[in-house]
Amino acid sequence: DVKVTQSSRYLVKRTGEKVFLECVQDMDHENMFWYRQDPGLGLRLIYFSYDVKMKEKGDIPEGYSVSREKKERFSLILESASTNQTSMYLCASRTTGGTEAFFGQGTRLTVV
Amino acid sequence: QKEVEQNSGPLSVPEGAIASLNCTYSDRGSQSFFWYRQYSGKSPELIMFIYSNGDKEDGRFTAQLNKASQYVSLLIRDSQPSDSATYLCAVRSNFGNEKLTFGTGTRLTIIP
Repeated sequence: DVKVTQSSRYLVKRTGEKVFLECVQDMDHENMFWYRQDPGLGLRLIYFSYDVKMKEKGDIPEGYSVSREKKERFSLILESASTNQTSMYLCASRTTGGTEAFFGQGTRLTVV
Repeated sequence: QKEVEQNSGPLSVPEGAIASLNCTYSDRGSQSFFWYRQYSGKSPELIMFIYSNGDKEDGRFTAQLNKASQYVSLLIRDSQPSDSATYLCAVRSNFGNEKLTFGTGTRLTIIP
């Protein structure tokens, strides 16, 4: 059974804090993605990675960074959390050229 | 212009009728097209994919692709209350580029 696991289901952080969202997949997929999902805006791509230590900016990378030191783990970092980063964050992985992207359960982040 | 556009809905369809969901995309180089279903509070899951012009059928679902018109659709026949969900259209630009871009989603409600 394929699995993408996000470290937290719910998270509350204060403005200005550095926030780490972790994602682990057990399918040996090359590609991993971070999206945020907001009402009326759908899933927007923040960053993706196609290999260890490789990353590419998505459509809304501002205020975020990522780290991929190991193939199975992809971290999203909010350098200085702001209230407009309150959102649902979804991690996904997919094999290169594959059909399906598998999603984690999501992290609901609230920045107060 | 957004890369992938969908009517946000909500779309209400009587049980047993055909639900028709539409998606347009802006990148003519797009090669792969996907439909994901997302139940409230859950993560997206793949239900259909299509690469070639024409129709692709899988059970009660039919995906239709028209690359000349940059249009992809999803038909759900014999709609059931369990089909009530948000349907997300996703597009991958071209082979070798793993970026997956989603539309905003269409919320579908099947009325018993």
